[in-house]
Amino acid sequence: GQQVMQIPQYQHVQEGEDFTTYCNSSTTLSNIQWYKQRPGGHPVFLIQLVKSGEVKKQKRLTFQFGEAKKNSSLHITATQTTDVGTYFCAGPGKGQAGTALIFGKGTTLSVSS
Amino acid sequence: GAVVSQHPSWVICKSGTSVKIECRSLDFQATTMFWYRQFPKQSLMLMATSNEGSKATYEQGVEKDKFLINHASLTLSTLTVTSAHPEDSSFYICSFEKTVGTDTQYFGPGTRLTVL
Repeated sequence: GQQVMQIPQYQHVQEGEDFTTYCNSSTTLSNIQWYKQRPGGHPVFLIQLVKSGEVKKQKRLTFQFGEAKKNSSLHITATQTTDVGTYFCAGPGKGQAGTALIFGKGTTLSVSS
Repeated sequence: GAVVSQHPSWVICKSGTSVKIECRSLDFQATTMFWYRQFPKQSLMLMATSNEGSKATYEQGVEKDKFLINHASLTLSTLTVTSAHPEDSSFYICSFEKTVGTDTQYFGPGTRLTVL
């Protein structure tokens, strides 16, 4: 079945260093989404990428969607302690009914000051 | 952004009891809602899709008689874990697609269930 893979599973950085997480789908996606989940919290929608090769920025976060629409990346420049959390990519999947999301396993980011 | 509430936020119960979790959309009506489960340090796994006014559709491996879903109105969906066991301990999260066709979802704050 459809799979969404993410690497790395964990990443620890010093504050100020950059961070990147990569997402790869086994199938072509109509769009890809990124969510952030803080420890103890629930996933919060960050962004959706739709077009092949699309790049979007949100302050220090840069999101890319691959040309083949099967992979994506999230890059954080100069991490801060507030960036701590787990970042999930997700693509629309074929649930038994309706379009639910297939989530990657997530990349958990820890930042030390 | 859209607001989704869940109640309770956490619950501890004894093995064999049933627990009901409510999910409400506060600022709009949703015909379709999703229920996910997240075990510690793992990703979200879709359990079922809840359609207003009709029976929920369950993913493979999810027992429909154990996880009862009722989507009785456009603003409320409930998930009842019947005869809960310790292996049902998990983080249960509802979500909905606010604008049909966008695929983006807004998640409730989740309910952490611990079964002793």
